[in-house]
Amino acid sequence: DAGITQSPRHKVTETGTPVTLRCHQTENHRYMYWYRQDPGHGLRLIHYSYGVKDTDKGEVSDGYSVSRSKTEDFLLTLESATSSQTSVYFCAISTTGQWAEAFFGQGTRLTVV
Amino acid sequence: GQQLNQSPQSMFIQEGEDVSMNCTSSSIFNTWLWYKQDPGEGPVLLIALYKAGELTSNGRLTAQFGITRKDSFLNISASIPSDVGIYFCAGPSAGGTSYGKLTFGQGTILTVHP
Repeated sequence: DAGITQSPRHKVTETGTPVTLRCHQTENHRYMYWYRQDPGHGLRLIHYSYGVKDTDKGEVSDGYSVSRSKTEDFLLTLESATSSQTSVYFCAISTTGQWAEAFFGQGTRLTVV
Repeated sequence: GQQLNQSPQSMFIQEGEDVSMNCTSSSIFNTWLWYKQDPGEGPVLLIALYKAGELTSNGRLTAQFGITRKDSFLNISASIPSDVGIYFCAGPSAGGTSYGKLTFGQGTILTVHP
C-alpha cells in the first residue's frame, strides 16, 4: 500500500463548516499531492508539496488550502465547505517527482450537505 | 488548460472479449501513463510510455504511444471479470516546474459480464 493513510475515509459535513483531510505517509517521500475525483472529470490536482513547508496550487485550488509542517503529513483544508466540494479526495506520494512513480491512497469520500 | 479526452466513456463486454480504448490531447505529451482504479481504491499504474511509437505490454495489457505524441491507446486481451474498473490515461501537467504533477483523462468505465 506504499505506506499512505488517508483519514477520515468517509465524512459528511454541513455547508459552511471547516473540514480538514489528512494524508499520512511512512516512506519519507518528498513529494505529496491532493487530487479530487468527480464523474466526467477524472482526477484533478488541487495542491501539491515538494518539501516541508513548500506547497503550490494545482488546477482546482480555489476554496482549498494545504499545510505540510512535517514530511509525513499533508493536510487539505476546506475553510468553508460548499456542496461543489462533494467529491472523492485522493492523496498521492512520490520520492523523486517522476510522473510514473506516484502512489495513490485509498481516498476520502466527502459529502457536503 | 490541458485536456485529455478518453473514449469510450464506458464499455460493457463479455468475458473473453478484447477491449480497446484511447486517449487524445490537443497538445503534445512526452509521457503517457495508464492507470486502473478498482472500486473503493486509488488508481494504480498499469503502463508507462516514454517514446513516440513505443508499444509496451504488461500481461494481457498493451499500450501504445502515438506517433503524433497527441494520443495513446490501451488494449486488453481476453478480458476477465477482475478487469472491471475505471481506466485512466494521464500525462505530465504543463507549466512551471513539473514536480510529478499529472493531468488525467475522464476515465473509461469497464464492465465485464461473465
